[in-house]
Amino acid sequence: GENVEQHPSTLSVQEGDSAVIKCTYSDSASNYFPWYKQELGKRPQLIIDIRSNVGEKKDQRIAVTLNKTAKHFSLHITETQPEDSAVYFCAASGANDYKLSFGAGTTVTVRA
Amino acid sequence: EAGVVQSPRYKIIEKKQPVAFWCNPISGHNTLYWYRQNLGQGPELLIRYENEEAVDDSQLPKDRFSAERLKGVDSTLKIQPAELGDSAVYLCASSPAGRAQETQYFGPGTRLLVL
Repeated sequence: GENVEQHPSTLSVQEGDSAVIKCTYSDSASNYFPWYKQELGKRPQLIIDIRSNVGEKKDQRIAVTLNKTAKHFSLHITETQPEDSAVYFCAASGANDYKLSFGAGTTVTVRA
Repeated sequence: EAGVVQSPRYKIIEKKQPVAFWCNPISGHNTLYWYRQNLGQGPELLIRYENEEAVDDSQLPKDRFSAERLKGVDSTLKIQPAELGDSAVYLCASSPAGRAQETQYFGPGTRLLVL
């Protein structure tokens, strides 16, 4: 089955700086890569996703890049704000696969 | 639109006791998922329903876990008897049309502590 590894496990950044989280996956057939944000005690919420037919996708301060050859994808958050503090999870699934395989999560802390 | 609703939000039980979690998906969503999230880990799928049919229960520990979605809407996940290692957050999610790679919308979860 799919194995998703996520790094780093914790990330502390100064407000206004950028944050980057990286994930690798094992199944070359995977082609859907969502990112979820989970604030303490709250539900995971989708913040951005990418499919394998594109290499990059942006939504305001958030961007995701995908390298299918290397089997890794990354989340980039620019101009970080205190409300960006949360746990971020990457996930992967295949073309005919309903199951999301999640990474272990990255705890992001934005210092004011 | 209301999101996925789960209850209870917290549950503390002693080992060997039974426990049940309830989920109400977003209205109109045919696909329902139950995930387990251990501390410091990402969610792991336990079971997926398409309407009232369990189409993927390969990760469900069937010796003690059971689930149902009788009318294709609400769902209940049960553990009997609970073990210490079952302490986790149980998340329910739903998606609209049962297509692969649809966005999954999560509920707030039920935090279970087994003593």
